[in-house]
Amino acid sequence: AQSVTQPDIHITVSEGASLELRCNYSYGATPYLFWYVQSPGQGLQLLLKYFSGDTLVQGIKGFEAEFKRSQSSFNLRKPSVHWSDAAEYFCAVGALDTDKLIFGTGTRLQVFP
Amino acid sequence: DTAVSQTPKYLVTQMGNDKSIKCEQNLGHDTMYWYKQDSKKFLKIMFSYNNKELIINETVPNRFSPKSPDKAHLNLHINSLELGDSAVYFCASSHRGGEIEAFFGQGTRLTVV
Repeated sequence: AQSVTQPDIHITVSEGASLELRCNYSYGATPYLFWYVQSPGQGLQLLLKYFSGDTLVQGIKGFEAEFKRSQSSFNLRKPSVHWSDAAEYFCAVGALDTDKLIFGTGTRLQVFP
Repeated sequence: DTAVSQTPKYLVTQMGNDKSIKCEQNLGHDTMYWYKQDSKKFLKIMFSYNNKELIINETVPNRFSPKSPDKAHLNLHINSLELGDSAVYFCASSHRGGEIEAFFGQGTRLTVV
């Protein structure tokens, strides 16, 4: 069965510091991977996605993620965090034969000035 | 020009009542979804519809009944509301296939008292 694990429930960083949010997935075939961000009281906004090809994908707001098949991971990174990045981040996996996304439990990012 | 819009944004109601949440998308997508986000921020799919046809029903109690009058609308009707139904409900839409990202509405925070 498909599953997504986000090991870090809560991360706190200082503004300007680098960031890496971890995501591990379980899926038998090639997964389709997504990172979404949810600001307080808001819906989910897609940051980036991986379907195939280059394993390093660029997204909006300066985020990037790297697909590592050998580690079943799709970690999200940003070189310099801004205070406006404080939000909940969700990793999700989709598949060709399904119409649904399986979400991780989310990582809450707090940014200190 | 909101892509996926749902109403109301907040809904407070008493146990036992019946309520509906409406969702509309103007993206021309053929698939629409309802996701439930619980108090721990966990997101789980409830239903998906493709061209007005029910595709996914994730063992949701039959008090929940989705209705899709056309492929741009997917409403969620809930009968005999219970305290445990309190959550944020997200509508989403996409083209069919797990490799296609879903666009989410702003969410409806349902509180049952």
